[in-house]
Amino acid sequence: RKEVEQDPGPFNVPEGATVAFNCTYSNSASQSFFWYRQDCRKEPKLLMSVYSSGNEDGRFTAQLNRASQYISLLIRDSKLSDSATYLCVVNTRVGNQFYFGTGTSLTVIP
Amino acid sequence: NAGVTQTPKFRVLKTGQSMTLLCAQDMNHEYMYWYRQDPGMGLRLIHYSVGEGTTAKGEVPDGYNVSRLKKQNFLLGLESAAPSQTSVYFCASSYEAGGRGNTEAFFGQGTRLTVV
Repeated sequence: RKEVEQDPGPFNVPEGATVAFNCTYSNSASQSFFWYRQDCRKEPKLLMSVYSSGNEDGRFTAQLNRASQYISLLIRDSKLSDSATYLCVVNTRVGNQFYFGTGTSLTVIP
Repeated sequence: NAGVTQTPKFRVLKTGQSMTLLCAQDMNHEYMYWYRQDPGMGLRLIHYSVGEGTTAKGEVPDGYNVSRLKKQNFLLGLESAAPSQTSVYFCASSYEAGGRGNTEAFFGQGTRLTVV
């Protein structure tokens, strides 16, 4: 079983739409959670950390449900510049290892 | 502030050749990682290091060796390249979260390797 599983998409949405990505993780000992963004042929970059209380950064909202081992990312008012692959990432603290989902592809259409 | 720097950016190897990928970080991070990224497979951990002089195997270590002689550098070696090692390689570094809450991984720009 993979450590982190995501729906690969692709998601094709019009500008201004709201889109949600989901991810599940298998290791209940996971301690830290993140969403990374990866543009085509570029390195992954941190979009936001995910906290149990939920957190928001502008148009982006992340939620964590530890009981269900489930992480979500909501993007409101999508922009063309949001087109990218979004990676769900968990960290186990043991060995400080990061486990990556395969990514969800988003294309925002004019 | 350079962050994490990988060299080279691109390389084409013939089957059986060897090469070394260099990763350098200037953030004084304890942890360093080598990943490979293939279509549909996501990022898979090859080897990692929890400090100077230490290395450990990740998910897909076969065919690769690593060394961390200095804290700021993490080298990935391919002794005898195979076409199955054609991939994009990313180096990353991270710090011990400790009391600082979440840590995060910082990535280099990647190395595109083709083995023919």
